[in-house]
Amino acid sequence: DAGVIQSPRHEVTEMGQEVTLRCKPISGHDYLFWYRQTMMRGLELLIYFNNNVPIDDSGMPEDRFSAKMPNASFSTLKIQPSEPRDSAVYFCASSRGQDFKNIQYFGAGTRLSVL
Amino acid sequence: ELKVEQNPLFLSMQEGKNYTIYCNYSTTSDRLYWYRQDPGKSLESLFVLLSNGAVKQEGRLMASLDTKARLSTLHITAAVHDLSATYFCAVPQGGSEKLVFGKGMKLTVNP
Repeated sequence: DAGVIQSPRHEVTEMGQEVTLRCKPISGHDYLFWYRQTMMRGLELLIYFNNNVPIDDSGMPEDRFSAKMPNASFSTLKIQPSEPRDSAVYFCASSRGQDFKNIQYFGAGTRLSVL
Repeated sequence: ELKVEQNPLFLSMQEGKNYTIYCNYSTTSDRLYWYRQDPGKSLESLFVLLSNGAVKQEGRLMASLDTKARLSTLHITAAVHDLSATYFCAVPQGGSEKLVFGKGMKLTVNP
């Protein structure tokens, strides 16, 4: 398997622009997670899905952030409008859940810079 | 609210030396995860500890879990430069699939 695939790997945008991050989970994984990593706050869970349904979005910082999972092989995280404080590395991860030890496999991440 | 604390957060050690790092968590959990992250890279799963007293070993790293003390240790034996990375522990929140990560321990192994 190719693993979790994220795109783009790097994104530089200007404040106020819309940003869309994409993720393709590992085939057969029922859970998909979106994380944000910064030096100040560490690794934070933003939202996670089970069978394409959002289960917990309590980590989504504000209404500017939205995430969708239209099917089992694709998810997006959108920021509109973007702000400089959104600059971070965004990781997507997938797993097969607790019945399979819930090991989360991470993608390579998207490094977002908002100028 | 579940809190996961790691210490130390930074460690510089000489090759060949041994050291133990710690991960404490604040609420009951019977499982714990260790991940490794190389600079600028993604997180890679190292160990899954699924019960009290669980011990896992891979090469020069050995992890253990004491659920009563809410403590996991990661022991490094005869460190080598290739072990230089950031090590995270993570604990499930409330029995869910949501993991709460510690801040990570940045390890530098010097020749």
